[in-house]
Amino acid sequence: KQEVTQIPAALSVPEGENLVLNCSFTDSAIYNLQWFRQDPGKGLTSLLLIQSSQREQTSGRLNASLDKSSGRSTLYIAASQPGDSATYLCAVRRLTGGGNKLTFGTGTQLKVEL
Amino acid sequence: EPEVTQTPSHQVTQMGQEVILRCVPISNHLYFYWYRQILGQKVEFLVSFYNNEISEKSEIFDDQFSVERPDGSNFTLKIRSTKLEDSAMYFCASRPQGPDTQYFGPGTRLTVL
Repeated sequence: KQEVTQIPAALSVPEGENLVLNCSFTDSAIYNLQWFRQDPGKGLTSLLLIQSSQREQTSGRLNASLDKSSGRSTLYIAASQPGDSATYLCAVRRLTGGGNKLTFGTGTQLKVEL
Repeated sequence: EPEVTQTPSHQVTQMGQEVILRCVPISNHLYFYWYRQILGQKVEFLVSFYNNEISEKSEIFDDQFSVERPDGSNFTLKIRSTKLEDSAMYFCASRPQGPDTQYFGPGTRLTVL
């Protein structure tokens, strides 16, 4: 059974700092990995999706990397801003199976302070 | 930009009552999902739906749960007899044919008293 873990559970940084969020998964037979942002009481916003054949994806100040063989992904946020404060979730889709379900991690709650 | 919408945003019900949570997926999407998140816990998969049938369901999705796409736009989750432990945020998601990104709605917070 796939288990997804995120470290740290919570992180507080000053504005402008670069930071890395970590995601690990136990079963490397994944189809892709997706990073989401969740604001309090709100839905999930997709940030980046990395296919299993890719090593990284970039969108603006965000860069996600994937090392499938070691079961790890990182989300790098450059020049953090207070508006980046949210919970960040990673989720993996398994390689086989018709349902395309996502298995989510525990989340990292990020606070960027002025 | 098109969005997944969900109604109601908050539903309060008594234990044992039936509830129907409604979702309007993005119009050209073909795959539909329900997930839930109990307060302080992970987002958990409930069910996926494609071509008018369930393609996968989790062990959470027992006989008390059902899904339906009654027309071309709505996608519903019904809980027949709610339990206290069904209290959670329920998220609907959809995706088109091809691209894998799932687009999530804002959620319905279900409170069972």
